[in-house]
Amino acid sequence: SQQGEEDPQALSIQEGENATMNCSYKTSINNLQWYRQNSGRGLVHLILIRSNEREKHSGRLRVTLDTSKKSSSLLITASRAADTASYFCATDAGTSGSRLTFGEGTQLTVNP
Amino acid sequence: GAVVSQHPSRVICKSGTSVKIECRSLDFQATTMFWYRQFPKQSLMLMATSNEGSKATYEQGVEKDKFLINHASLTLSTLTVTSAHPEDSSFYICSAWDREETQYFGPGTRLLVL
Repeated sequence: SQQGEEDPQALSIQEGENATMNCSYKTSINNLQWYRQNSGRGLVHLILIRSNEREKHSGRLRVTLDTSKKSSSLLITASRAADTASYFCATDAGTSGSRLTFGEGTQLTVNP
Repeated sequence: GAVVSQHPSRVICKSGTSVKIECRSLDFQATTMFWYRQFPKQSLMLMATSNEGSKATYEQGVEKDKFLINHASLTLSTLTVTSAHPEDSSFYICSAWDREETQYFGPGTRLLVL
């Protein structure tokens, strides 16, 4: 069963705006990762945040993790049409990198 | 990041036939690979964990006799869908673990069973 729940399920914004996606999970984790998937394609790893970290940045991406609330957020700043994709969070509770449990995903559409 | 390939990228087959999907890690050795299935507009569901030189570990509800997994080398794992039926039509994605913290995903294989 899927551990993660993401909201919103779908998000439509204009180019240049920021996009925020949220992910909640149920059990304790070692790491939480965010992946991106273009339609009909494989997943691209975006960023990993460890359970002892609260915030991480990578380019236009900002990820936060609140282990007390069992939630994470992914912020994409200054969005571009090319950011249009599905975004998934994934958690692992065992050995790092093993057995990921994916959230339901957020479909982001960035309109030019 | 590391590169993982899958072959074929798409396959159409008749009901009752078997289909083999290959997953290769191209620039690193992966003792562990994972197989996922994804239905349209849904998330990835882990099917099984493939360990080099040992039997795969299947998730609850996944039939091991229907989805045969072989991980014969550190760079290759295969998933064979035996006696495929239309309900097996899906997007199958593999990933390889780099023994650190990240899984690298293949581009996926779209299977259509007629």
